[in-house]
Amino acid sequence: RKEVEQDPGPFNVPEGATVAFNCTYSNSASQSFFWYRQDCRKEPKLLMSVYSSGNEDGRFTAQLNRASQYISLLIRDSKLSDSATYLCVVVVREAGTALIFGKGTTLSVSS
Amino acid sequence: GAGVSQSPSNKVTEKGKDVELRCDPISGHTALYWYRQSLGQGLEFLIYFQGNSAPDKSGLPSDRFSAERTGGSVSTLTIQRTQQEDSAVYLCASSLGPSGGGGYQETQYFGPGTRLLVL
Repeated sequence: RKEVEQDPGPFNVPEGATVAFNCTYSNSASQSFFWYRQDCRKEPKLLMSVYSSGNEDGRFTAQLNRASQYISLLIRDSKLSDSATYLCVVVVREAGTALIFGKGTTLSVSS
Repeated sequence: GAGVSQSPSNKVTEKGKDVELRCDPISGHTALYWYRQSLGQGLEFLIYFQGNSAPDKSGLPSDRFSAERTGGSVSTLTIQRTQQEDSAVYLCASSLGPSGGGGYQETQYFGPGTRLLVL
């Protein structure tokens, strides 16, 4: 079983749609969680951290369910500029502090 | 301020040649990471430095891969006797590292990567 699994998509949605991405992780010792965004042929950039209490940043909401080892990202009112690949990222302390990346979910927002 | 920089941005080499990739982390960042991303694949962790030491080399795919970091700053990733399967984007990231309060500043900032093509 892969350490971090995501639905690769692509998710094709119209502007204004609400879209949700899910991610599961296998290591129960995982301690920190993030969503990164990667544009085509660009480096990954931190989108937001994910906390057990859930957190919101504008149109983006991230949720963590430790019991189910599940992370989600909700994007409301999608914009064309949201088109990118969204990477679910987990940090496992016992494995050092390297980030463990999922393969990403591709989102395409069209007008 | 300056972000993470990498050089060269693109490298084309012939199978069997050695290549050296360079990473300049953000000033003051003690932690440095190398990853690679093959076409259509996720990011694969290669090696992590804290200062000049590498506590985690678990991701290096073979003994043809090595990395060093000097002065707690610049790092080089060397691939000897390159193979076609080494073709990928090699990404470097840095983070603040251990904080004074015993925590760890984890947010990693990535450089633009080096696109390596082995013919």
